[in-house]
Amino acid sequence: KQEVTQIPAALSVPEGENLVLNCSFTDSAIYNLQWFRQDPGKGLTSLLLIQSSQREQTSGRLNASLDKSSGRSTLYIAASQPGDSATYLCAVAYSGAGSYQLTFGKGTKLSVIP
Amino acid sequence: GAGVSQTPSNKVTEKGKYVELRCDPISGHTALYWYRQSLGQGPEFLIYFQGTGAADDSGLPNDRFFAVRPEGSVSTLKIQRTERGDSAVYLCASSLSGSGVTDTQYFGPGTRLTVL
Repeated sequence: KQEVTQIPAALSVPEGENLVLNCSFTDSAIYNLQWFRQDPGKGLTSLLLIQSSQREQTSGRLNASLDKSSGRSTLYIAASQPGDSATYLCAVAYSGAGSYQLTFGKGTKLSVIP
Repeated sequence: GAGVSQTPSNKVTEKGKYVELRCDPISGHTALYWYRQSLGQGPEFLIYFQGTGAADDSGLPNDRFFAVRPEGSVSTLKIQRTERGDSAVYLCASSLSGSGVTDTQYFGPGTRLTVL
């Protein structure tokens, strides 16, 4: 069974700082890994999708890396802003499942202090 | 264009009652997923539709839960004899094909179900 772990559970940083969120998964037979953002009381917004054959993806100030063999991914946020405050969720679609369903971590709650 | 929509946004019911939760996916998306998110947890998979058929229902917790997608678009999640432990946010997601490594899932805002 796939398990996804995110560390830290919560993070508070001053505005402007660069930061890294970590995600690890137990089964490396994945199709892809996705990073989502969730604002309080809201649904999930897709940030980045990394295919199993890729090493990283970039979108604006966000950069996600994937090391499938070690079961790790990181989300790098450059020059953090108060608007980045949210919970960030990592999820994998893996071949042991019956479909491309996602298995999620519990998330990292990020607070960016002005 | 319109995203995934879910109704109602909030549902309060009493233990033992029947509830229906609706999901309208993005137009043209053939794949539809239901997830459940409890407080402080990540979403957990319930069921996956490819077109009209339930291709994977391995996440449904028991036979009180059932979902349909009769015309391959709108889906309804049905919960019979609700229990307090069913209280959670129910999330719906859709994707273009459901069969590719590049297939991003787009989520709706969720329905918050509270069973008293």
